This record gives sequence, structure tokens and C-alpha cells, in this order.
Amino acid sequence: ETGVTQTPRHLVMGMTNKKSLKCEQHLGHNAMYWYKQSAKKPLELMFVYSLEERVENNSVPSRFSPECPNSSHLFLHLHTLQPEDSALYLCASSPLQQGGEAFFGQGTRLTVV
Amino acid sequence: EDQVTQSPEALRLQEGESSSLNCSYTVSGLRGLFWYRQDPGKGPEFLFTLYSAGEEKEKERLKATLTKKESFLHITAPKPEDSATYLCAVRSSGGYQKVTFGTGTKLQVIP
Repeated sequence: ETGVTQTPRHLVMGMTNKKSLKCEQHLGHNAMYWYKQSAKKPLELMFVYSLEERVENNSVPSRFSPECPNSSHLFLHLHTLQPEDSALYLCASSPLQQGGEAFFGQGTRLTVV
Repeated sequence: EDQVTQSPEALRLQEGESSSLNCSYTVSGLRGLFWYRQDPGKGPEFLFTLYSAGEEKEKERLKATLTKKESFLHITAPKPEDSATYLCAVRSSGGYQKVTFGTGTKLQVIP
């Protein structure tokens, strides 16, 4: 399998639940990203990992916790979310130093009830 | 703070009717301007990178151009399969790998 793969594609969770989003890339890239996409709003960069080290945390609430165990895998751990966190969560990867030319996954559509 | 404004918000074209999408930007030290296409229910797909004013890139019916303040995505003789949301983004010299996106232009091409 090639490209950037995200699982699950859809997730419904209660505000007290704990869940994780998974992202896997087979492109040999060294940088990986989490973005949030809400209706009528621009893509919001949440986290950036470069060579498995977090280099950017864009003022994201602590109820979102990223993990990058290696250059191919990225996780976003979710706990005690709010309904306003419902959105499309996109994972992307890029060659190091080419942050604008990113390859995106299909996203996880998250609904918090 | 970097800003990206795209217009129009939505555009409806007849098949074959050429037009342009606009992306205006304010950035401290442009390190690249990027165009993406996003289909419903999918992640954005990278199209072009432009680095300096006067630069142009082409791909099939799409042509992207760049000035010091804005970029245009020209669509020549569009087809229904060109229907999608087109996103513009910029990367500035401040912030490691930080890319700022616009809200996009939703294009619909009617047969």
C-alpha cells in the first residue's frame, strides 16, 4: 500500500471516551503533520513532527496528544473532547524541508457527542 | 501573522467556460505558495508550488501564476471532473514547516 493511510475513517465518541487516530505513510518522508479541518474554516495545523521529534505545537489543547514512534507512523490520542472538536482530522507527510508540498491522507471524520 | 484570502468562495462554470481563482496573501518572507485540490470526503491533493513573482506552473487545464501579493489559478476550458475545492497555502520564513491555508474556492463545472 502506498501514500498516506488514516484509520478509522469515521469515529463517533462521547465526551468521556478515550480514542486514538492512526496515520501511516509509505512515502519515505521525514516530516508528518496533524491538521484539523472544520466547515468554513481554513485547515489548522495542529502538530508537526520532523525526524520523529515534535517541532511545532500550534497552541492545541492538552486533550489532544500526539505520538510519533517512528518516521512512518503518527498517532493522535483523544480524551475528554468537546462537541466543538468535531471535525475532519487530516494527517499529512512531506520530505524534510518541503512542508508545503504535503501528501494528505483521507482524513478521520470525528463526531463528539 | 501570515494571512491567506481566497476568492470567490464559490464559483459555478459551464463546461468550457474559462475563469480564474484568486489567492491574496500577506506573509513575512515567502518560502513558497502552494495550490491544492480537495474532493469531497478526501484529503487535499498537492498541485503546484510557486516560489517567486513571475513564476508560472501548468498542469493539464490548470495554470498557476504568482505576483508579490497574489496568485491566480487559471482554469482553461474546464470539465465536470475539475469540480472540487481549490486551496491555496503559503509557507513563511518564520515557524518551522508552518504552512497557512486559505478557506478555499469551491468550483462546480456544469456539463
